[in-house]
This record gives sequence, structure tokens and C-alpha cells, in this order.
Amino acid sequence: ETGVTQTPRHLVMGMTNKKSLKCEQHLGHNAMYWYKQSAKKPLELMFVYSLEERVENNSVPSRFSPECPNSSHLFLHLHTLQPEDSALYLCASSQVTGSSGNTIYFGEGSWLTVV
Amino acid sequence: AQSVTQLGSHVSVSEGALVLLRCNYSSSVPPYLFWYVQYPNQGLQLLLKYTSAATLVKGINGFEAEFKKSETSFHLTKPSAHMSDAAEYFCAVSEGSGGYNKLIFGAGTRLAVHP
Repeated sequence: ETGVTQTPRHLVMGMTNKKSLKCEQHLGHNAMYWYKQSAKKPLELMFVYSLEERVENNSVPSRFSPECPNSSHLFLHLHTLQPEDSALYLCASSQVTGSSGNTIYFGEGSWLTVV
Repeated sequence: AQSVTQLGSHVSVSEGALVLLRCNYSSSVPPYLFWYVQYPNQGLQLLLKYTSAATLVKGINGFEAEFKKSETSFHLTKPSAHMSDAAEYFCAVSEGSGGYNKLIFGAGTRLAVHP
């Protein structure tokens, strides 16, 4: 198994749908992240969970709702999205040790298209 | 706030030629710096990172980067490009807080390698 697994890899949803992206890490880490990668913007940090507590929310609209039930799993719940939310959503994980130099490991991403 | 600037959104080299991808950072404290690579339809993979040990950092696939504090730079190089190096490369600085990392990414440089 790869270190960080994301499902589904591709998702097409209508603006009125509710869907979820799932992420699982097999590295024994205790911090997990959601990043958004769109064509015209640099990679944007959306949310950070450290020790299962949400510690960062970078002004993300409420139509994106994260959930971290345990240190190995992270979800991104999606509802009433807009076409401009179409992007690659990357999940990542790292170990919390007090150092800012720890490597962040990324999954392969979930391609989201909102129609 | 920390930031990263990557000069050149597209770089094209011949196979066997030197690869040079430029990255400049802005940080008020000694930074942790990273280079990631993204192959088509994949997530981000760590190439190398600087964590205040040696200023010349060697990474995977023959890449290396040199930290130059006086120039606030962390350029990525490879002596001889391979066709398989064609990908997008991201420089990032870590803005840590509470032990977890916040990677602030540059806009990316797309490397093309032609025969």
C-alpha cells in the first residue's frame, strides 16, 4: 500500500450534490492536511488536523467540511459546490514532533469536477 | 509571513543538458525549504529538503539544491536531464507552528525535456 491513499481518484458532481473525499494514511503520522490545487493558483492549504484536532482553517467556504475521526483518516465533505471549486484535492500527512522540518507526504489526489 | 517565488513557470532543456530551476524565499527566521516534484496525474513527491544542516542538499533522481542565505535562494539543479524528469516542480517553505508544518508553495515550474 502507498503511504497516503485517496479515494475516489476522480469525482464529477452536480452543484446540488453531497459527496465526500476520503484519505487514509498508513505512515503512523498524527497530522493530516487538505490542499487544493487549481490551474491558476498555487497550492493552497485548506485545513490542518494535528492530533485529531483542527488547528488550521484557511478561510475555506463552509461548503467544504472536514472530518478527522482518528489520526489515520481524513474526510472532506462537499455540498452545494460551485464550478470554480473544480480542482485537484490533495491529502497529506506528517509527524508532529515540534520541528517544522518534518516531511509532508502527499497522496495522489482526487480530481473533482463540478458541473 | 513567509513566501516563495519560483522564477520561470516553464523551463525547457535538451536531454543531457543542465537543469536549473530557481527558487527564492522570504522568511524572517531560518527557514526549512523543500522541493517537490509532481508527475502528470500524480500527487507530490519529495525531492529534497533543507533543515539547516549542510547547505548543499542531495536528493533523489540526481537532483541537488544549494541553500544560499545571502541570496535567499534555494535553486534546484541536475547536471544532466533525462526525459523522465519532465514534470512540475514546486519549491516550498515551512511555516511551522505547534510542531505541524504549513508548507507555503511557489507557483511551480513546469520542466520540459526534449530529445
